[in-house]
Amino acid sequence: QITLKESGLTLVKPTQTLTLTCTVSGFSLSTSGVGVGWIRQPPGKALEWLALTYWGDDKRYSPSLKSRLTISKDTSKNQVVLTMTNMDPVDTATYYCAHFPYSSGWHFDYWGQGTLVTVSS
Amino acid sequence: QSVLTQPPSVSGAPGQRVTISCTGSSSNIGASYDVHWYQQLPGTAPKLLIYGNSNRPSGVPDRFSGSKSGTSASLAISGLQAEDEADYYCQSYDSSLSAWVFGGGTKLTVL
Repeated sequence: QITLKESGLTLVKPTQTLTLTCTVSGFSLSTSGVGVGWIRQPPGKALEWLALTYWGDDKRYSPSLKSRLTISKDTSKNQVVLTMTNMDPVDTATYYCAHFPYSSGWHFDYWGQGTLVTVSS
Repeated sequence: QSVLTQPPSVSGAPGQRVTISCTGSSSNIGASYDVHWYQQLPGTAPKLLIYGNSNRPSGVPDRFSGSKSGTSASLAISGLQAEDEADYYCQSYDSSLSAWVFGGGTKLTVL
């Protein structure tokens, strides 16, 4: 059974750096054909893809946020970490991590419950 | 402004059939990238509903179906039920942006 769970600070101040951790179970981050992505959703708004890490060390970022994002993984801990620098109130959103079976389709088939991050002074 | 365009809302009575469109361009849907659909019930995480244009994951009722043609895709829900009231999102890949993209979402109301 594949599960993902997001964790991290839920309240950050403007200009600070956000660090979120996605802890996964039911699959290995070192398995061929597997990736983990981050997607966010501002309150009342649409989903927005942020970043993706594949098997191996391949990484992809949203072009509009690339300069602020870093995605990394620790296979020994079954964790994927997303950092976003220079946080702004417009970055207030629920942040999700999701399983990405890229060898069988470029979709997100299992999602974490999400964590609401609020950016406020 | 989303790369994939969806109607903001659709509605239907119980038992009816509704469709939700997802319009893209030559750099995403029209470039033969697959379209996937997600259902998001209020206050919950999105759930994969359709993948690879028309495939249902295990456990998704066959009332839900997907199709794709040209630069557009559609999600059809037949035999509408009250529990189908949710937000629906399409998703694909855009080669010009080198990014995975979502539609703006469609709110389905069951009358």
